[in-house]
Amino acid sequence: DTGVSQDPRHKITKRGQNVTFRCDPISEHNRLYWYRQTLGQGPEFLTYFQNEAQLEKSRLLSDRFSAERPKGSFSTLEIQRTEQGDSAMYLCASSFWDRSYEQYFGPGTRLTVT
Amino acid sequence: AQSVTQPDIHITVSEGASLELRCNYSYGATPYLFWYVQSPGQGLQLLLKYFSGDTLVQGIKGFEAEFKRSQSSFNLRKPSVHWSDAAEYFCAVGSGAGSYQLTFGKGTKLSVIP
Repeated sequence: DTGVSQDPRHKITKRGQNVTFRCDPISEHNRLYWYRQTLGQGPEFLTYFQNEAQLEKSRLLSDRFSAERPKGSFSTLEIQRTEQGDSAMYLCASSFWDRSYEQYFGPGTRLTVT
Repeated sequence: AQSVTQPDIHITVSEGASLELRCNYSYGATPYLFWYVQSPGQGLQLLLKYFSGDTLVQGIKGFEAEFKRSQSSFNLRKPSVHWSDAAEYFCAVGSGAGSYQLTFGKGTKLSVIP
């Protein structure tokens, strides 16, 4: 069990650019979650996958955001035409399907939009 | 919709003193409740969880929490704090209504004085 990993750990981009983050869940876990955490706030749910199927999306996930999990293993989160308000920590978590509330979090990707 | 309130933004305690972090939730049915800890630059680590049964739950690192339905509370306690406990603590609730998202409070930052 190597834990949930995320890449990159930090990303600085200019407004209007596209960015993509990667999450590798714990290998036995078939559920994967994305959350966003802004300064002074707790994490907010964005979306989750069971295997390769995206089963739930938050209203926070605007049409500039897209997430995929093509083979049911790693996942990517893409933000198109970044805005300064997108600056946040993006957290990934994973779990077993039958223990979905026991979510194990990765270290996060901190995005700064200048 | 469920919500979580952590009334204390920042708490400072002396090493060896006892600790209680407050958490109040809003949810119609019996919630699933969690405490996570986040150290600087790290992801969230699950400390303990409550699903049902015994209202006093034990977690890792010597933490415990008590579910009080009448007060809609799930306070985190530790009898003797160590300097390494300095971190940010988040209370979270899961609805269990077919959605696996966690709703987090804004967190309480714990500082420990030597």
